[in-house]
Amino acid sequence: QITLRESGPTLVKPTQTLTLTCSFSEFSVSTYGVGVAWIRQPPGKALEWLALIYWNNDEHYSPSLRTRLTITKDTSKNQVVLTMTDMDPVDTATYFCALRRVTETHLFHPWGQGTLVTVSS
Amino acid sequence: EVVLTQSPATLSLSPGESATLSCRASQSVGTDLGWYQQKPGQAPRLLIYDASKGATGTPARFSGRGSETDFTLTISNLEPEDSAVYYCQQRYFWPLTFGGGTKVEI
Repeated sequence: QITLRESGPTLVKPTQTLTLTCSFSEFSVSTYGVGVAWIRQPPGKALEWLALIYWNNDEHYSPSLRTRLTITKDTSKNQVVLTMTDMDPVDTATYFCALRRVTETHLFHPWGQGTLVTVSS
Repeated sequence: EVVLTQSPATLSLSPGESATLSCRASQSVGTDLGWYQQKPGQAPRLLIYDASKGATGTPARFSGRGSETDFTLTISNLEPEDSAVYYCQQRYFWPLTFGGGTKVEI
């Protein structure tokens, strides 16, 4: 059974850099067609896609956040890491990672449980 | 950026009734659209992909249809467990975008 789990700080201060790790099992991010994405959801609001990295190192970012985001993968550790610089209170949200397979649904399935990140001084 | 507009914002129905949720795209996305269900405190769950194909484990009472700019998700014979927020998402253009969601109350 494929699982993903997000980890990282629950509280960051404004202007700090956020680093989140997505750890997963039962698939490899080096397998053809596999991608891992980050999506966030502010409290009570809709979902927002942030970034995606593919098996072939192809990276995609939300244009509105491109200058602040970096996504990387560590195949040996089965992890994908998202860094977001210059955090602001408006970045307070639950951050999810999810699997995307271009050989199957092309959508996000399954998802991790999410991790709530609060930005406050 | 493709904007997905979902309507209505909230739908209040009784068990056994049917729900029809709409998702309208600002430009054609073909059939590259899916639907997710999100219950309180949980991660979204994929229900429908390619506009009309059920994901693994999706009950048959959930059906999707549409193409280009107009899509619908229909939930037949509503059950109390279907209370959730439903999101559409397009994969045709970068950036990938989600709709604002429709809350279904049973």
